[in-house]
Amino acid sequence: GQQLNQSPQSMFIQEGEDVSMNCTSSSIFNTWLWYKQDPGEGPVLLIALYKAGELTSNGRLTAQFGITRKDSFLNISASIPSDVGIYFCAGFPSGGGADGLTFGKGTHLIIQP
Amino acid sequence: ETGVTQSPTHLIKTRGQQVTLRCSSQSGHNTVSWYQQALGQGPQFIFQYYREEENGRGNFPPRFSGLQFPNYSSELNVNALELDDSALYLCASSFFTTGELFFGEGSRLTVL
Repeated sequence: GQQLNQSPQSMFIQEGEDVSMNCTSSSIFNTWLWYKQDPGEGPVLLIALYKAGELTSNGRLTAQFGITRKDSFLNISASIPSDVGIYFCAGFPSGGGADGLTFGKGTHLIIQP
Repeated sequence: ETGVTQSPTHLIKTRGQQVTLRCSSQSGHNTVSWYQQALGQGPQFIFQYYREEENGRGNFPPRFSGLQFPNYSSELNVNALELDDSALYLCASSFFTTGELFFGEGSRLTVL
């Protein structure tokens, strides 16, 4: 099946720093979604991207749909303690929704005081 | 709060038993999908229901089955439970089959 390569696997940063993570695939995706998951909870949708080249912001978060449709990145500016958690990229492959969302393995963000 | 509710939140079963998990979708959403999330992994797609019919399935055996009801709520049934079925089971609803998915908080299943 489809696979998404998400990196880095984990990040240890200082409060106030900017964060960047990305996701790549060997095949084309029609939609990219970025989620955040806290322990014991379900993933929460952060940003949705539908067009190649699209750049979308949600507060301190910015995400882009790569022009090749095979990658996406998420940036977080001026990190704060509540940004701690696991961030997942996910996408619908070009064949449509019948294959469901494919998820990356997650980026674990840890903020050091 | 996504408006997607799941029950039960936690349950423990023994190998060979059967389990039913339930999900109420967000108001206005007509598509429900189920995902399995093992510890330390991203969610894996089990199947999707649209208009009470299964219209997509991941790489899961037939002992994983589901239903969608006229009010768009859904059930996930797993027969002949195995130890590897221990996971967080997530339900997600969306307005259409390739739309933004909104997840519930999950049902944590432990198989002993």
